[in-house]
Amino acid sequence: QKEVEQDPGPLSVPEGAIVSLNCTYSNSAFQYFMWYRQYSRKGPELLMYTYSSGNKEDGRFTAQVDKSSKYISLFIRDSQPSDSATYLCAILPYQGAQKLVFGQGTRLTINP
Amino acid sequence: NAGVTQTPKFQVLKTGQSMTLQCAQDMNHEYMSWYRQDPGMGLRLIHYSVGAGITDQGEVPNGYNVSRSTTEDFPLRLLSAAPSQTSVYFCASSRERKDTEAFFGQGTRLTVV
Repeated sequence: QKEVEQDPGPLSVPEGAIVSLNCTYSNSAFQYFMWYRQYSRKGPELLMYTYSSGNKEDGRFTAQVDKSSKYISLFIRDSQPSDSATYLCAILPYQGAQKLVFGQGTRLTINP
Repeated sequence: NAGVTQTPKFQVLKTGQSMTLQCAQDMNHEYMSWYRQDPGMGLRLIHYSVGAGITDQGEVPNGYNVSRSTTEDFPLRLLSAAPSQTSVYFCASSRERKDTEAFFGQGTRLTVV
């Protein structure tokens, strides 16, 4: 079983819609959860991270972790065409872990 | 402050050829890593380094070699290119290994024919 799984999409929604992106992970001991955004032909950039459980909000973006179901989500409110990108979830098993583990990435298109 | 710089941006190799992908960072980061990105597979770790002189294998190390002689540079060598190594390669660096934020280069698109 992969440590983190993500639906690759693609996902296409109209401008202004609420977008929900999701990942599942395998080990309940994982503590650090990240969302990276990757524009076409660019490297990924960190969008948000959360530690342990709960929600974290940054403008139109909300990251949510449900440790009981081992599920992480990214919500985008009032989506804009500039949000069109591939979104990758990632986990760092614990602070001091050697490596980030990435999901497959979901390609998102916001249609004007 | 350039961040993470990868060269070349594009490369076409013939099967059996060798080459080195260059990666340099100017942020004095301890931790550097190489990933490959393939459709439907996400980013997979090839090799990583926690400091100058220290390297270790990631998830998919076969066919690749690395060294870390300075803090700034972390080249990736393809020993004998194969079509299965056609991919987009990303170098990344972090201030230290426990950081949740990795800074990525722009990528190298490699085609092996």
